[in-house]
Amino acid sequence: DAGVIQSPRHEVTEMGQEVTLRCKPISGHNSLFWYRQTMMRGLELLIYFNNNVPIDDSGMPEDRFSAKMPNASFSTLKIQPSEPRDSAVYFCASSQRLAGGINEQFFGPGTRLTVL
Amino acid sequence: LAKTTQPISMDSYEGQEVNITCSHNNIATNDYITWYQQFPSQGPRFIIQGYKTKVTNEVASLFIPADRKSSTLSLPRVSLSDTAVYYCLVGDSYSGGYQKVTFGTGTKLQVIP
Repeated sequence: DAGVIQSPRHEVTEMGQEVTLRCKPISGHNSLFWYRQTMMRGLELLIYFNNNVPIDDSGMPEDRFSAKMPNASFSTLKIQPSEPRDSAVYFCASSQRLAGGINEQFFGPGTRLTVL
Repeated sequence: LAKTTQPISMDSYEGQEVNITCSHNNIATNDYITWYQQFPSQGPRFIIQGYKTKVTNEVASLFIPADRKSSTLSLPRVSLSDTAVYYCLVGDSYSGGYQKVTFGTGTKLQVIP
């Protein structure tokens, strides 16, 4: 398996523009997570999907952020309009929910977003 | 969610054993303890998970005392390539009906030649 795939790897945009980040989870995994990482705030969970359904979006910073998972093999995180404070590395992770313990999350390589 | 506390940074010489301790005083009965490793410019990677006593795999050992209020990740004979940030997480896959974990600030391990 190729692991979790994220695109683009780097994105530079101007304030006010729409940004769409993409993620392909590992085949067979039924849980998908979007995280954001900055030096100031560390690694923050934005939203969690289970079986394509958003379960917890309490980490989504504000209405400018939205995430979708139309099927088991694809998810998007959209920021509209983007702001300089959204600059961060965005990670997508997937896992197979099993009984007992914290299911191992497999992280993608991340998308480094810079909003000018 | 149980909160975790771990040192912000540690230095170690190559070839030494490194022990990173994590405090989780409010750990719940169903909670497991998991450690992740993150290299610069990469996503975190699972290292080890345990519930009690000792767990060992090819990468590390995890020691959990009987009260489970803390845990220690042990890395034997570290090399320069072990320089990374190490995160301690506590949670349960069925907490609140789904898996939710929180990555704390982590411990930045610097291995010195």
